Amino acid sequence: DTAVSQTPKYLVTQMGNDKSIKCEQNLGHDTMYWYKQDSKKFLKIMFSYNNKELIINETVPNRFSPKSPDKAHLNLHINSLELGDSAVYFCASSQEAGRGYGEQFFGPGTRLTVL
Amino acid sequence: AQSVTQLGSHVSVSEGALVLLRCNYSSSVPPYLFWYVQYPNQGLQLLLKYTSAATLVKGINGFEAEFKKSETSFHLTKPSAHMSDAAEYFCAVSEVGTASKLTFGTGTRLQVTL
Repeated sequence: DTAVSQTPKYLVTQMGNDKSIKCEQNLGHDTMYWYKQDSKKFLKIMFSYNNKELIINETVPNRFSPKSPDKAHLNLHINSLELGDSAVYFCASSQEAGRGYGEQFFGPGTRLTVL
Repeated sequence: AQSVTQLGSHVSVSEGALVLLRCNYSSSVPPYLFWYVQYPNQGLQLLLKYTSAATLVKGINGFEAEFKKSETSFHLTKPSAHMSDAAEYFCAVSEVGTASKLTFGTGTRLQVTL
């Protein structure tokens, strides 16, 4: 029983293409996140949704568009992929959003390589 | 604004030796603090968290951390390292607000040698 799952695990694509990464959580959490981990392992939050509503939108190019069809899913669509988008993207979820201490459960990551 | 500094991007210890991974934070309000571990090619797993209760926090796998407000620190320790502890460790901070936004440190790679 995977708590937070992501598909695909690996994604290799050409510059300029459009791609999507899917995330699903079966924990009943109300908040989901996308993080980007660069080649130096630095993790930075990109987006957060609470009950399908966007609540965190960091300085991310508008080529990145999150979509939350329901509170168990948060997908990430990326248009016009660039070399610098190569990274590992992690989805996470938590409960008790708004209190600041809800444990975030992370998915296994999607390694995106842009050629 | 909140931030986290992890001193030492790479720490090497012998099996059975004390593990000490350092984390200092900066926060304008009382913080919540976390330590996560990342094994190769895996996601992050929570080791422990401080949420303004006891200042000494015990986590999984024998790890613990002590919140010291006067030093703005939240160092992670384990009395005796095991080979299976080799991984990347991240300290993170969040503040009470509209969402649990985690700000991560740059990570410390722990190597355990025989």
